[in-house]
Amino acid sequence: KQEVTQIPAALSVPEGENLVLNCSFTDSAIYNLQWFRQDPGKGLTSLLLIQSSQREQTSGRLNASLDKSSGRSTLYIAASQPGDSATYLCAGHHRSNDYKLSFGAGTTVTVRA
Amino acid sequence: DGGITQSPKYLFRKEGQNVTLSCEQNLNHDAMYWYRQDPGQGLRLIYYSQIVNDFQKGDIAEGYSVSREKKESFPLTVTSAQKNPTAFYLCASTKGGLQPQHFGDGTRLSIL
Repeated sequence: KQEVTQIPAALSVPEGENLVLNCSFTDSAIYNLQWFRQDPGKGLTSLLLIQSSQREQTSGRLNASLDKSSGRSTLYIAASQPGDSATYLCAGHHRSNDYKLSFGAGTTVTVRA
Repeated sequence: DGGITQSPKYLFRKEGQNVTLSCEQNLNHDAMYWYRQDPGQGLRLIYYSQIVNDFQKGDIAEGYSVSREKKESFPLTVTSAQKNPTAFYLCASTKGGLQPQHFGDGTRLSIL
């Protein structure tokens, strides 16, 4: 069964520092990958979707890359702000899971002012 | 604005009671999903429906039931057979199986 690991589980940085969040899959045969943001007590907000034919996606200060050969994705957040404090989850569609989304447990980010 | 509405935000269940969580979407999406989120764990799929009047079990369907009588609605019932129902429940929808999923704001279920 597909396992999704996010490292680190928690991260605290001073404002202005760049953030690097990692996501890895046991099955590298991934179709597409989605990064989400979750604020406390709230649902998930989609940040970026990397399609199967793409290697990265960018939106403002966010950049996500996908390396299918190693089964890894990285989310970069440039020049972090206190408003970036949240939990970030990755999820992928895999053939081994009938193309249903497999989620990681998330990385909880705190940006200190 | 289009979106997904989950209600209630908080729900309490008594021993032996069934409770129903509501999920409504006005995005005209065909597929809808129910997930359970526990602290420190990723989301786990309970049930999903790709079309009206059809649904499939996810990874942890035992103790839960659903219906899909209308495209806009996908209610989840947590039955008394679910012995550990305390969790955060999230509903999602998408145009199709591999398209981006959009989520509601969740329902937190607790035991009285």
